[in-house]
Amino acid sequence: QVQLVESGGGVVQPGGSLRLSCAASGFTFSSFGMHWVRQPPGKGLEWVAYILYDGSRKYSADSVKGRFTVSRDNSKNTFYLQMNSLRGEDTAVYYCAKDSDWAQDYWGQGTLVTVSS
Amino acid sequence: QSALTQPPSASGSPGQSVTISCTGTSSDVGGYNYVSWYQQHPGKAPKLMIYEVTKRPSGVPDRFSGSKSGNTASLTVSGLQAEDEADYYCSSFGGSDNWVFGGGTKLTVL
Repeated sequence: QVQLVESGGGVVQPGGSLRLSCAASGFTFSSFGMHWVRQPPGKGLEWVAYILYDGSRKYSADSVKGRFTVSRDNSKNTFYLQMNSLRGEDTAVYYCAKDSDWAQDYWGQGTLVTVSS
Repeated sequence: QSALTQPPSASGSPGQSVTISCTGTSSDVGGYNYVSWYQQHPGKAPKLMIYEVTKRPSGVPDRFSGSKSGNTASLTVSGLQAEDEADYYCSSFGGSDNWVFGGGTKLTVL
């Protein structure tokens, strides 16, 4: 069955960097686009970024544009979120999700990123 | 990229039906048939319940249905059950290569 496992979360100081990973299994990873979606503690969902199945197109939310970069390694069935210049408002649980028909049909369990001094 | 508008709360008794609205603009909800709905129980990851406005993934009960009129999409839960109590989020492809979520609706089964 489809499994998505995020890793790389933790505590980082404002202005710092962090790279999240999402390991995928149970489907043909190289055939699907992938998303990152975040959820601040006690708040709603916010779409963060998307990468096309072959990595040729990448889209991101205005709130993270220029600071966050999404990438993937289809040989490792893994995709990534490089987060730079982190701010307090980036504190959230970050979920990776598989794309299907312009929706997110499978989600990981999430990894918590806390930006704090 | 403004969030879609959902009511913060909704409620109904077991067996009843409840409808949750999701209002966007002609640039997102009204412009594309790519509206989806997610259920999230506390401490859990979201689960896809409806995609492309009206379609249900395999395994989702047919008590859940979706619709759209103009810039407003709706999720209807019929025959409410205790396990339906959760947060529900709508989402739409927003064109300009982005997706947008609603603020979420907390559904309470009385």
